[in-house]
Amino acid sequence: GAGVSQTPSNKVTEKGKYVELRCDPISGHTALYWYRQSLGQGPEFLIYFQGTGAADDSGLPNDRFFAVRPEGSVSTLKIQRTERGDSAVYLCASSSEGGLSTQYFGPGTRLTVL
Amino acid sequence: SQQGEEDPQALSIQEGENATMNCSYKTSINNLQWYRQNSGRGLVHLILIRSNEREKHSGRLRVTLDTSKKSSSLLITASRAADTASYFCATTQGAQKLVFGQGTRLTINP
Repeated sequence: GAGVSQTPSNKVTEKGKYVELRCDPISGHTALYWYRQSLGQGPEFLIYFQGTGAADDSGLPNDRFFAVRPEGSVSTLKIQRTERGDSAVYLCASSSEGGLSTQYFGPGTRLTVL
Repeated sequence: SQQGEEDPQALSIQEGENATMNCSYKTSINNLQWYRQNSGRGLVHLILIRSNEREKHSGRLRVTLDTSKKSSSLLITASRAADTASYFCATTQGAQKLVFGQGTRLTINP
């Protein structure tokens, strides 16, 4: 019955480093989403998984960003060669079916790139 | 890119008063949802209104949707200090993703 969890809650890294952010969706939810939220803005869509496959990755800003969900449950967002502009809160959400069903959000990971 | 715009960007009222926030969007939608966010972290789903609905209630929340004007409003009645948060509207446009506005920062003063 737990909600969506994300680890770590905070991540500080140096410019140029590689980071991985993890999301554990609600058990049984087939759809998983990643969003990014900059300070003072609303969340912006990055990528959507239905099961193991990325059904829509149109929001990924460039090829430094990549996400996987190998077993259809946990997902990892990977950012290579981080830049200061990548600093933001990265939010994960899951829903029971995708489509128009409600998305439930995790607490987010605050990424700071120095 | 942001789909909608919330109005006002910030709102400060006294406890017990009603708070009204507005959201406008640009394209046709399947549904519109309102979320609350405390301290810039996780979003809590408040209410969903479908494109063929005009009004929906949930506790102290009342949401209206006017698809002809591409706008929605969220009314919180009898506000409490715990309602202090940022409120976002989000639309679903056929695809799976949510498109959020920039939010309204609501402050309830005791």
